[in-house]
Amino acid sequence: KNQVEQSPQSLIILEGKNCTLQCNYTVSPFSNLRWYKQDTGRGPVSLTIMTFSENTKSNGRYTATLDADTKQSSLHITASQLSDSASYICVVSGTFGNEKLTFGTGTRLTIIP
Amino acid sequence: SAVISQKPSRDICQRGTSLTIQCQVDSQVTMMFWYRQQPGQSLTLIATANQGSEATYESGFVIDKFPISRPNLTFSTLTVSNMSPEDSSIYLCSATKRGPTYEQYFGPGTRLTVT
Repeated sequence: KNQVEQSPQSLIILEGKNCTLQCNYTVSPFSNLRWYKQDTGRGPVSLTIMTFSENTKSNGRYTATLDADTKQSSLHITASQLSDSASYICVVSGTFGNEKLTFGTGTRLTIIP
Repeated sequence: SAVISQKPSRDICQRGTSLTIQCQVDSQVTMMFWYRQQPGQSLTLIATANQGSEATYESGFVIDKFPISRPNLTFSTLTVSNMSPEDSSIYLCSATKRGPTYEQYFGPGTRLTVT
């Protein structure tokens, strides 16, 4: 069964600190892995999309890594800001063009001043 | 990119009634989807909205309960029929455009409460 697991479930850090969120998946076949940010009351917004050949991709203060061999990904947030408070969802796609996505349950990140 | 709007943004409905949610995309898209997100949970795909034909439903979701229309490339509706409190959830519309990454865009969601 295709699954995406994320850890931790929730995280609280001080403004300005860095943090790393983890994602493990068992989706097969694998096409790409996406990280989304979902603010409370809003729809998810894409941060990064990585195919199996990409190890790292950055989007501003967000850096995602992918190890297709171990089926693990991480999202690193640098110099956190209050606006980073949100849920971060790891999503895996099985086949390009077949947008059947497997969603993780997300990590709820809270940044405190 | 694609900007997706949904109407209504929220509603409170009585048990046994039906609600139709509208989804409008600002440009032509390849595929449109409807998801449900229950409080504190991740997204669950309800169905793929196919233009001009019947939607493709995921396991556990049926057309009689969640009829879907997609009359053109930018618009879709989802109806939640004969509602019960268990249908209280956030319903999200999403869409993809053909391209190198088939990025999936999401609407803001419709928060439904059934009393």
